Amino acid sequence: AQKITQTQPGMFVQEKEAVTLDCTYDTSDPSYGLFWYKQPSSGEMIFLIYQGSYDQQNATEGRYSLNFQKARKSANLVISASQLGDSAMYFCAMREGVGGSYIPTFGRGTSLIVHP
Amino acid sequence: EPEVTQTPSHQVTQMGQEVILRCVPISNHLYFYWYRQILGQKVEFLVSFYNNEISEKSEIFDDQFSVERPDGSNFTLKIRSTKLEDSAMYFCASALTGDTGELFFGEGSRLTVL
Repeated sequence: AQKITQTQPGMFVQEKEAVTLDCTYDTSDPSYGLFWYKQPSSGEMIFLIYQGSYDQQNATEGRYSLNFQKARKSANLVISASQLGDSAMYFCAMREGVGGSYIPTFGRGTSLIVHP
Repeated sequence: EPEVTQTPSHQVTQMGQEVILRCVPISNHLYFYWYRQILGQKVEFLVSFYNNEISEKSEIFDDQFSVERPDGSNFTLKIRSTKLEDSAMYFCASALTGDTGELFFGEGSRLTVL
């Protein structure tokens, strides 16, 4: 079974609008961490935002926020006021302790295109 | 801001040759990882390393792969005899904690095997 599911292979958004990238996860461990990374066409993996399973509030980092809905096991990334430079692949990832392992696992990614 | 650095950024090699990819993790981090990403595909875990030994490895990490931390700062991935299917982007990552905390990646090393 997929640990991280990103159901949107591609998303389009107009510049300056907000966009939500979906991520659902599957774990039986009460302690886990959720991450979003941005991968532009140049290939590097840029850390965006982190949410711990025990964090009471949704994480925010500048224009990025994580809409954490624990009961639904979702951790959607919200990008406000999209910019052309936001066009990239976005990966959701999780670290969980099932079996004593905290190896980060990744979703298949969502391609975001921001158009003027 | 501290960062993970990787060299080379791009390497082209002939099939059967040995390749060493190098990484300098963030200095106070203790947990190190290698991942690979075949073009356009998923980011796949290869191996994790802690306290100078491999803590976990995936099925992909077979006998042709090895890792070491030779001098306390560098963290290397060696592929002994490269195959065409080893062509991918290889990412090094490091973390301060071995549980649920933040994980930081380098910019990747693109390996092309001809």
